[in-house]
Order: sequence, then structure tokens, then C-alpha cells
Amino acid sequence: AQSVTQLDSHVSVSEGTPVLLRCNYSSSYSPSLFWYVQHPNKGLQLLLKYTSAATLVKGINGFEAEFKKSETSFHLTKPSAHMSDAAEYFCVVYGQNFVFGPGTRLSVLP
Amino acid sequence: GAVVSQHPSWVICKSGTSVKIECRSLDFQATTMFWYRQFPKQSLMLMATSNEGSKATYEQGVEKDKFLINHASLTLSTLTVTSAHPEDSSFYICSARAGGGAKDTQYFGPGTRLTVL
Repeated sequence: AQSVTQLDSHVSVSEGTPVLLRCNYSSSYSPSLFWYVQHPNKGLQLLLKYTSAATLVKGINGFEAEFKKSETSFHLTKPSAHMSDAAEYFCVVYGQNFVFGPGTRLSVLP
Repeated sequence: GAVVSQHPSWVICKSGTSVKIECRSLDFQATTMFWYRQFPKQSLMLMATSNEGSKATYEQGVEKDKFLINHASLTLSTLTVTSAHPEDSSFYICSARAGGGAKDTQYFGPGTRLTVL
């Protein structure tokens, strides 16, 4: 069975400061891990995907995530937040099906 | 490439009526399609998985007689919410997996917001 925990339901940062969105997973398999972003009333956009090739995964819009097996974590980071990054972020694990985390709402303050 | 569309994007209906939502893969053949439901400020929950030409597999707790899924072609799956009630109001998102594609790759549609009055 797979499960995903996103430790923060809401993260607020100032524009230009770093972003850290935390994700921990549980999986009986060697998982594929994803981060998706959802803007209000919009569908999902894939930010990045981990599939055991490299532990540091670079995604779109300056986001990256590091897979740490020992910590069962896959935290999402970005060096400098933009106003347009304000959205809901979902960490997802795939073992047999896609299992979504509860989401983290990112607010970016001017 | 790999675009999935949904129609309509927004629908309002009266309680007791049925609503059909379409999910189309525009530039690839989708042997498997998935339907998710997202309540306000919550995460996506998988409702059912449908394979082209066969019956859908529903997740535990999802009423198959209420949420009718048809996957009659390799580019189209439909979700019909029968006898809709206000508690069925939600954001419905489909995704599609390409035939022969990686099992961990799904392409998501833009979602359909259903409001039942």
C-alpha cells in the first residue's frame, strides 16, 4: 500500500525567498514520485517526476525535488518564489495507482 | 502532445437530473482512463479506472450505479452522474494512460466543476 503525507497544509513565503514544501511517502514498492501544481479552478500540471534515475530531480519553473530513501522524503524546493507560484501543490506516489497527498497551499506575499 | 480535454468545464444542474462528463485524449490512444473527484480544499480521490472495451473498476465506497463510466473508444471515456444531488457537487478530473505507455505516466484533463442545485 502507498500513502503520502504533506506536512504543511499551508506555506506562506515572501516573493524572492526560498520555497520548501515537504512530502513523506510510504510504499511497498520502489515508487515513482511526482509533484503536481494546481492553480485555482484549473487542472493539474506536472512539475517533476522521480523514477530512480537520479535522486535530485529538476522540474519546470525552477522547481526541484530530492529523493531521500532513508528519510522516505521527496521535498520540493525553489530558490526564489514568484507571485505566479501561488497555488496548491500535490505530492503523488505511484505504486499500483496514483495516490495523492492532501496538498499544500503556497501563498506568495509581495 | 499528450493532451486530455474534458467537456463541459463547468455544469450546473438541478437535483435529480443526470449529467454526463466527457474525457477525451486528443493526440494519443488511451487504453486506460481514470476518474478522480476533488472536494473543495481537498485532495484528489480516485473513483474508478476504466479500460477500453471493458467494465470500469470502482474504488471502495464509490457507487457504480450512481457514477456510470463508459470507455467505448480509445479516445473517449464518459462519466455520468445519475440522479445528481447537492452532495455530488465537486470537481471531477479525468486522466489517461497511453496504450503501451509507462504505467506511471498519466495525463490529466483540466477538470469539470459540477454544481447541483
